[in-house]
Amino acid sequence: NAGVTQTPKFRVLKTGQSMTLLCAQDMNHEYMYWYRQDPGMGLRLIHYSVGEGTTAKGEVPDGYNVSRLKKQNFLLGLESAAPSQTSVYFCASFRLGAPEETQYFGPGTRLLVL
Amino acid sequence: GQQLNQSPQSMFIQEGEDVSMNCTSSSIFNTWLWYKQDPGEGPVLLIALYKAGELTSNGRLTAQFGITRKDSFLNISASIPSDVGIYFCAGTNAGNNRKLIWGLGTSLAVNP
Repeated sequence: NAGVTQTPKFRVLKTGQSMTLLCAQDMNHEYMYWYRQDPGMGLRLIHYSVGEGTTAKGEVPDGYNVSRLKKQNFLLGLESAAPSQTSVYFCASFRLGAPEETQYFGPGTRLLVL
Repeated sequence: GQQLNQSPQSMFIQEGEDVSMNCTSSSIFNTWLWYKQDPGEGPVLLIALYKAGELTSNGRLTAQFGITRKDSFLNISASIPSDVGIYFCAGTNAGNNRKLIWGLGTSLAVNP
């Protein structure tokens, strides 16, 4: 049971380039979330999904798109990267009816946009 | 967006000391969570609280769900060097797609 995994672990982009961050979970969780973490800002929700084929905007969705084609995967896309998107990105998942109401987090993807 | 008021922002203590941190909110929650984040890692759940007034322990950690449902605190007793990290509180309500509202974290440093 790998839990929540994220790829890549680290990436450097030039302004205007695009990329996709992959989150995968093997716990059969319904809900998945993408956060960004910046110094002094805590964790901010970008987008989330309550099930396969569904996505919704979080607190800071601009400049990002997501897709949940399979229940176990949640993709975060940056169509045209900007320096303001330099951050650490975390994916999390959650199972309805779990004994603990908690989100399980991946190890993070560190993104630097030059 | 909404955030929780978490204090203190940082702490520097001697090994063996007790630590206390708290979170307050302007709105009520039916679940309070405390996470710890080690450098270079994602947050990991320490304690989950589901009932107002509930006091829950996990080893040297004790957390309480405030009776008003608008606050929570976390205590760490007899701190050790591996307690170093950032501690986050989070609140959630069942009807909100389990979205978590986060505090900004308490950074803990422990001097051996």
